[in-house]
Amino acid sequence: DAMVIQNPRYQVTQFGKPVTLSCSQTLNHNVMYWYQQKSSQAPKLLFHYYDKDFNNEADTPDNFQSRRPNTSFCFLDIRSPGLGDAAMYLCATSRDVRLAGPPAGEQYFGPGTRLTVT
Amino acid sequence: GESVGLHLPTLSVQEGDNSIINCAYSNSASDYFIWYKQESGKGPQFIIDIRSNMDKRQGQRVTVLLNKTVKHLSLQIAATQPGDSAVYFCAEKTWGSNFGNEKLTFGTGTRLTIIP
Repeated sequence: DAMVIQNPRYQVTQFGKPVTLSCSQTLNHNVMYWYQQKSSQAPKLLFHYYDKDFNNEADTPDNFQSRRPNTSFCFLDIRSPGLGDAAMYLCATSRDVRLAGPPAGEQYFGPGTRLTVT
Repeated sequence: GESVGLHLPTLSVQEGDNSIINCAYSNSASDYFIWYKQESGKGPQFIIDIRSNMDKRQGQRVTVLLNKTVKHLSLQIAATQPGDSAVYFCAEKTWGSNFGNEKLTFGTGTRLTIIP
């Protein structure tokens, strides 16, 4: 059973045309993350939500935004995609480590959305 | 800044042999590491983790070794199978002051290919 679901799996957008990627989870985890993974590179954290609290990484471009309307869903908005934004975008979730104490909080990753910018 | 890196980008191993994937880290205060497996077209999958108060941890066919003196960890996969072909990442997990700001910093990745 899918626990972290990402739609669509493949997305093609035009240069400068806003695009939204979606992530949903059935784990009821309170933390959700978005990573960018370029070809043959490691995933790089863009930002994450701890419940409704948004935590942006210092080097994440302003072009990337996120929304989390409820526990289950989280969206990644790219306002004006450039060619350099073509990548795999991974969503991940984890539960509050304070419930189980560190080092709990294993992150569960979705299958990713591969974004192509033309 | 802190970094987690891998020694080798690719590794080819004969099916049935053991494989060892290495990872170096730079932050001596790091205390929690995870190995992930990423198959083509999929997200990373948790394999095994280790805390800094341990130097070895075993799972099913996998063993992680941690050498804090030289800031090095390794993933050993015993009796490799075709399904082990994937990219393997080591990652360091850190937490903010409220434990909510959990962050994974991934290493470069090693592509493991199993030769039939």
